[in-house]
Amino acid sequence: GQNIDQPTEMTATEGAIVQINCTYQTSGFNGLFWYQQHAGEAPTFLSYNVLDGLEEKGRFSSFLSRSKGYSYLLLKELQMKDSASYLCAVEAAGNKLTFGGGTRVLVKP
Amino acid sequence: DGGITQSPKYLFRKEGQNVTLSCEQNLNHDAMYWYRQDPGQGLRLIYYSQIVNDFQKGDIAEGYSVSREKKESFPLTVTSAQKNPTAFYLCASSTGTDNEQFFGPGTRLTVL
Repeated sequence: GQNIDQPTEMTATEGAIVQINCTYQTSGFNGLFWYQQHAGEAPTFLSYNVLDGLEEKGRFSSFLSRSKGYSYLLLKELQMKDSASYLCAVEAAGNKLTFGGGTRVLVKP
Repeated sequence: DGGITQSPKYLFRKEGQNVTLSCEQNLNHDAMYWYRQDPGQGLRLIYYSQIVNDFQKGDIAEGYSVSREKKESFPLTVTSAQKNPTAFYLCASSTGTDNEQFFGPGTRLTVL
């Protein structure tokens, strides 16, 4: 089976940094995705990690430790438009994704 | 413009009626997926198809059915056997393994 945990909600101030953790226990693992989802909209792709380490992409970075079953998404220089839900998803065989419950991030001025 | 379309955006049905949600993509993707999302929760996989004329059950397939007669289309039928059909339904597609899934805009189904 698959079990993916991430915090339900986080609050941060504009311009600050927020780290969203994701822990997983899965029967198979090909890689880990992070998606952003604004309320009522479709998720959009942020990052994909296969190997251990940090992947940086502009203000967003994602880290993976396969041995620990752990990933985090780091959002730097927070902007109001970053208020959204962030979904961690583990890919098993056949590009089948299992999603965590999502972390709602609220950015305050 | 390439992309995934779902229609309609909002759908209302009476309890006991079957309803079919459409999903079309012109990205030439082999794989397509249907997810359900309930308020404040993540996505749960209903059905997926890796190639035309083939599909597999996801984690919550009971009360749903699909077909994949064309590469571009993957309609989902919500049957009267689905106990709690009111939800946000998202369709996605991808080129296959190890590649991101692209999502359609979603259909919000409300059963009255």
